[in-house]
Amino acid sequence: DVKVTQSSRYLVKRTGEKVFLECVQDMDHENMFWYRQDPGLGLRLIYFSYDVKMKEKGDIPEGYSVSREKKERFSLILESASTNQTSMYLCASSPWSLGANVLTFGAGSRLTVL
Amino acid sequence: GQQVMQIPQYQHVQEGEDFTTYCNSSTTLSNIQWYKQRPGGHPVFLIQLVKSGEVKKQKRLTFQFGEAKKNSSLHITATQTTDVGTYFCAGGSNYKLTFGKGTLLTVNP
Repeated sequence: DVKVTQSSRYLVKRTGEKVFLECVQDMDHENMFWYRQDPGLGLRLIYFSYDVKMKEKGDIPEGYSVSREKKERFSLILESASTNQTSMYLCASSPWSLGANVLTFGAGSRLTVL
Repeated sequence: GQQVMQIPQYQHVQEGEDFTTYCNSSTTLSNIQWYKQRPGGHPVFLIQLVKSGEVKKQKRLTFQFGEAKKNSSLHITATQTTDVGTYFCAGGSNYKLTFGKGTLLTVNP
């Protein structure tokens, strides 16, 4: 089974802090994604990557950056955390496909910014 | 940009009743996927539909993709307490999937 592991299940940070959320997948998937999930808003795509060192903006990239130095690892960075970034962050991966990407999600990282 | 609307937002049923959630896209989709998220869990892939008019079944779950490939539905026959959770549709193409906001299903035993 594909496993997507997110390093922190729960984090509490202060406004202005730099925050790193790490995600590792063990099935050699080409594509990796970061979503945030908020009540009533569903899942919204922040960034995705289809190859090492490649990244593409999703629907809500403002305030975030990403890093993909190795194929198995995709990091989400909040340069200066703000309270409106309090959310559940979900990492996902998928194999390369000509058609649709079937996503395998990690367990999520719940971030609270005070 | 592409929008995927999902209704209803919430549905509460008695165990044994049927349940349906609907998904509509503002644009033609190349495919649609359905995911289930149990309370406290993460989304888990259920199924993918690709062809116009496609119907797929998984035990008590029936998934349909519209003829115009702009809408889809998930129907659960005779719900059980294990069906509780949020059901998401997701449509798109290539790398990018756009998720609906989900339908939260609760089941009264």
